Formats: sequence, C-alpha cells, structure tokens
Amino acid sequence: QKEVEQDPGPLSVPEGAIVSLNCTYSNSAFQYFMWYRQYSRKGPELLMYTYSSGNKEDGRFTAQVDKSSKYISLFIRDSQPSDSATYLCAMKRTSYGKLTFGQGTILTVHP
Amino acid sequence: GAGVSQSPRYKVTKRGQDVALRCDPISGHVSLYWYRQALGQGPEFLTYFNYEAQQDKSGLPNDRFSAERPEGSISTLTIQRTEQRDSAMYRCASSPVGQETQYFGPGTRLLVL
Repeated sequence: QKEVEQDPGPLSVPEGAIVSLNCTYSNSAFQYFMWYRQYSRKGPELLMYTYSSGNKEDGRFTAQVDKSSKYISLFIRDSQPSDSATYLCAMKRTSYGKLTFGQGTILTVHP
Repeated sequence: GAGVSQSPRYKVTKRGQDVALRCDPISGHVSLYWYRQALGQGPEFLTYFNYEAQQDKSGLPNDRFSAERPEGSISTLTIQRTEQRDSAMYRCASSPVGQETQYFGPGTRLLVL
C-alpha cells in the first residue's frame, strides 16, 4: 500500500463548477501538506501549502487538512478551463526533507 | 528571477551507457532535491542535499545511481550502465533556507533504448 493515495481520475467538469480533490495517507508523522499543479509537459508548481490540520484559502482555492482522518482536500471554486491540469498532493514529516506525492488527479474543465 | 534549470531536457542513450543529468537550482537556495517521475505518477524521491552535503539518499534505487553537489550549487545525477527501466522524467527541485516549499525544474526526459 502506498503512503499517499490519490484517485487519478480523470475528472471532467463544466466551467464554473466546484471541484473537490482528495488524498488519504497512512503515515501519521506527516506534518506539512502541499498541493501542486502540473500542466502538460511542465514541472509541478506549488499551489497551496498547509502546516498541520486546518483550512487555508487563497482566492478560488481552499486547502483542508484533517489529520485525525489522515485526509486532505483541495477545493476549486468557479473552475476555469485554465485550471485543467494534473493536481498532485504532497506531504512531508519535517520542514526539510523529501516530499511524498500522490499519483495525481487529471482535471479537465470544459467551457 | 530565473527558476530551476535542468540539462539536457531530453536524453536518449543506449543500454549500458552512463548518463549525467545536471540541475542548476535557484540562486541562493540551500536545499536541492532529485525526484523521478514515471508517466501518470507523482514524483518519487531519490536524494537531497543541504549545501554540498548529501542528507538522504534512501530513494536511490541501486548503486548505479549517484549524485553530487560539490560546491553547494549545481548538482549532477549520474546513472551508470543504464537499463531500459531507468527511462523516466528526472526532476530537480530546490528550496531556500527556512522554507518548506520546493520549486521544481522542467525535468530531463531520459530514454534508454
């Protein structure tokens, strides 16, 4: 079993929809949680970062971490075609050191 | 400013050859990470450095893989006696001191024939 599980999708939604992306993990030592967005043929770019449990909002994006359930989510409001990409959750135990990634969810937002 | 750069962007080699992949981190970034990403998968950790010191090499698959960062800036990932299963995208990331976030480069696509 992988340390981080993420449904690969693909997920297809109409423009304007609310998108929910999720990951579960098994290692309770993870403290730092990130969401990366990866466009085709590009490197991952950091979208959201959260330390420990709680919510964080940035524009149309909201990240949630529930450490008791070992479950993290990313919500995208008013989705746009430009949001079409692969979304990767990632986490790590300490402030430095390796990231452990999920498989990535492929999202398509159609006009 | 300039982001993380990697070279070459594409490398095709024959089985049994050695390859060297280069990473130039963002200027001033202390930490440098190497990952490998298979198609349809998330990046998988290989190794990382703080300055010139290799801190963790637990993700290197076997002793054909090695990495160095002699002056605490540019890093080289070397794969000796390449095998077809080594074909993947190799990504480098860097982060500044005191920051948890990692900034990724565009990657080197390696194809072993």
